[in-house]
Amino acid sequence: DTEVTQTPKHLVMGMTNKKSLKCEQHMGHRAMYWYKQKAKKPPELMFVYSYEKLSINESVPSRFSPECPNSSLLNLHLHALQPEDSALYLCASSQDRGVSNQPQHFGDGTRLSIL
Amino acid sequence: RKEVEQDPGPFNVPEGATVAFNCTYSNSASQSFFWYRQDCRKEPKLLMSVYSSGNEDGRFTAQLNRASQYISLLIRDSKLSDSATYLCVVNSPNNDMRFGAGTRLTVKP
Repeated sequence: DTEVTQTPKHLVMGMTNKKSLKCEQHMGHRAMYWYKQKAKKPPELMFVYSYEKLSINESVPSRFSPECPNSSLLNLHLHALQPEDSALYLCASSQDRGVSNQPQHFGDGTRLSIL
Repeated sequence: RKEVEQDPGPFNVPEGATVAFNCTYSNSASQSFFWYRQDCRKEPKLLMSVYSSGNEDGRFTAQLNRASQYISLLIRDSKLSDSATYLCVVNSPNNDMRFGAGTRLTVKP
């Protein structure tokens, strides 16, 4: 069982909808990440939060909006998505972004389909 | 040049075979190295960290060669359940992970 929990597991939405993906971890990790993964490709980093502050935005379109309400939660707000945004969205956490040799632990992802 | 390069395979091997995956990385300042396993339509799961002295976990052995900027994973006595995609992961100097494209392994009866 994963220690990083993501909801929902599956999401189908239209291009005009607004929805949110949620991620939660209770391992006391201070770094949290959003990745996008297309079929047969490796995960692509989207956002990094360190100590609840946004550290990295990898040139992600503004239709994706991250939020970190507290050290255990990470949200990804979606609005006006395009069909090419259909993918598996993975959340991950690690102990501390400033410490090397810390692996990231992944949630089981939200499979998103845009109609 | 990609930061992390892997042979995508696929590797198709019979049960019981020994198989080795290789990975090279471009940033000599990288400090941490990992192998992750990803099953179809599942999330990546940490298989093992890779240490400078090499390390072993059961049937799995990981090696690091800093001089050549090269990482390897050896799987002995392959099982059907080893079928998956194996991702080589290298931490960038700011500790964000850089993924290889993954190597697909299929173990056949």
